[in-house]
Amino acid sequence: EVQLVESGGGLVQPGGSLRLSCAASGFPFSEHYIDWVRQAPGKGLEWVGRIRNKANSYTTEYAASVKGRFTISRDNSKNSLYLQMNSLKTEDTAVYYCTRTIPGSSPDSWGQGTLVTVSS
Amino acid sequence: DIQMTQSPSSLSASVGDRVTITCRASQGITNDLGWYQQKPGKAPKRLIYAASNLQSGVPSRFSGSGSGTEFTLTISSLQPEDFATYYCLQHKSYPLTFGQGTKVEIK
Repeated sequence: EVQLVESGGGLVQPGGSLRLSCAASGFPFSEHYIDWVRQAPGKGLEWVGRIRNKANSYTTEYAASVKGRFTISRDNSKNSLYLQMNSLKTEDTAVYYCTRTIPGSSPDSWGQGTLVTVSS
Repeated sequence: DIQMTQSPSSLSASVGDRVTITCRASQGITNDLGWYQQKPGKAPKRLIYAASNLQSGVPSRFSGSGSGTEFTLTISSLQPEDFATYYCLQHKSYPLTFGQGTKVEIK
């Protein structure tokens, strides 16, 4: 069974940093892309970024709203994915989901999400 | 960026009704589109991939169609568990973009 479990959310002040983790199991981790998607309270879904698989050299893509502030990385030895978030803004407040994506398709499995609140 | 315009933003329907939700892409995306269902407090769940392929385990009352710029999600006979918010997602080019969502409510 595919499982994705996010952790690391919490309350942080504007300008601060936070690192989210996503633990994956039940599938060949290095073969899949992983996307981060977020949802602000009461709002729709927003794609944050992607890290590709081994075959595509683990390259990354980011939404313009987070580029230069957020970094996605992965540790394939631990089947884990990370979202390093720096220079956080109040508008980054959201539930953050990690998702599994087969190359060429849309995200097919989602974690339960972790809430990040940016507030003073 | 490719804009995904989803309509309607909300609808009220009764159990047994046929429901249709539309997504229009600002440029052609071939069939690089997925449909998702989200219930309050839960993660989204994929219903349809590649515009018209039913995700394993999803009831056959859900169907998707379209290609290029116009896409449709149809629920042939609405069930009580289908009341939720639905989103389309294009993955043709970066950034990936979602429609703004359609909330399906009980009439």
